[in-house]
Amino acid sequence: QVTLRESGPALLRPTQTLTLTCSFSGFSLNTSDMCVSWLRQPPGKALEWLALVDWEGDEFYKTSLKTRLTISIDTSRDRVVLSMTNVNPVDTATYYCARQSDGYGHGFDSWGQGVPVTVSS
Amino acid sequence: SYVLTQQSSVSVAPGKAARITCGGDNIGLKSVHWYQQRPGQAPVMVLFYDDDRPSGIPDRFSGFNSGNTATLTISRVEAGDEADYYCQVWDSSSDDWVFGGGTTLTVL
Repeated sequence: QVTLRESGPALLRPTQTLTLTCSFSGFSLNTSDMCVSWLRQPPGKALEWLALVDWEGDEFYKTSLKTRLTISIDTSRDRVVLSMTNVNPVDTATYYCARQSDGYGHGFDSWGQGVPVTVSS
Repeated sequence: SYVLTQQSSVSVAPGKAARITCGGDNIGLKSVHWYQQRPGQAPVMVLFYDDDRPSGIPDRFSGFNSGNTATLTISRVEAGDEADYYCQVWDSSSDDWVFGGGTTLTVL
């Protein structure tokens, strides 16, 4: 059974760094074509893809946020971490991690439940 | 950047068919994936590669993609289908995973 679970702080102050962890089971990032992404959804708004790491450790970022994001695979290779620097209130959203099991062009076939993050002074 | 355009809302009576569209430049040349998101829940993939259904998704959900429009059709709509629906593609030219703005399906 594939599961993903996000964890991280519920509240941050502006300019702080957000660090989120996606813990997963039921699949391996050592498997060819396997990818894990971070996505977010501001309250009442649409889904937005942020970053992806693939089975080879290659990283991809949303262009407009590239300078603020870092995605990495934990040494255990069963967790993916996202860091976002210099947060501000517009970064308030529910953050999801999701899996693609058949390469970049496949859909996001499994999702975590999401973690709500609020940025406020 | 690649843009996907969806209707903001669709309303349908129970038992009727709902059609949710997703517009994009030559979207027919891309693979489109569709997600259902019920209030307060995470998204769930309901179609992938235009018209394939993941296991557990009823065959009332179908898809078509051609030209500049992809369509998700839900036949014999039920109250439980009420949700937001998002289309998504991979824009390989910019390595961007793009979502539409979402369509809220209301069952009358």
